[in-house]
Amino acid sequence: GDSVTQMEGPVTLSEEAFLTINCTYTATGYPSLFWYVQYPGEGLQLLLKATKADDKGSNKGFEATYRKETTSFHLEKGSVQVSDSAVYFCALSGNRGSQGNLIFGKGTKLSVKP
Amino acid sequence: DVKVTQSSRYLVKRTGEKVFLECVQDMDHENMFWYRQDPGLGLRLIYFSYDVKMKEKGDIPEGYSVSREKKERFSLILESASTNQTSMYLCASSLQGSYNSPLHFGNGTRLTVT
Repeated sequence: GDSVTQMEGPVTLSEEAFLTINCTYTATGYPSLFWYVQYPGEGLQLLLKATKADDKGSNKGFEATYRKETTSFHLEKGSVQVSDSAVYFCALSGNRGSQGNLIFGKGTKLSVKP
Repeated sequence: DVKVTQSSRYLVKRTGEKVFLECVQDMDHENMFWYRQDPGLGLRLIYFSYDVKMKEKGDIPEGYSVSREKKERFSLILESASTNQTSMYLCASSLQGSYNSPLHFGNGTRLTVT
């Protein structure tokens, strides 16, 4: 079945460091890909998405490119801030199709130190 | 902004009790979902609903049931709570008919079963 694998955390960086969180997927068909972020004490919120191969999603300085040839959707940010400390989830639209179900990775916790 | 409201942030229940978790969304979304979130396991889908009175099992429905009597409300029911149901429960909603429609999450209910 469809699945998402993302790098295990926790990831600890200093402020202004470069961030990469790896995400690879297995899917039949042509899923859409998403990154969600969960700040402490809150639910998940959509960070960015890409709906087809070679699309780049971007938001708040974060970027991810849908790479069909490597089945990847790595999250990057050039200069992280303390306020980026959160748990990041990679997800794909699952085989329940238009029902809107998403399949999530296990999450990667990011801590950014001043 | 879409608002998904979960009625309780924290709940403590005893083994064997019947537990109701309530979720309300205010954007007329057709799809609603219940996930549980556990450390190291990420998010796992319990049940979802794509219309009033309709429900579909997710990946881990055992020990749970759901009710959707009105479009805006989706309830998760633990018929006889057990300690292995101690977890964070997240409700989400989305528009139907779009493969790319993002999920909108509530802030979660942390349930402890003693």
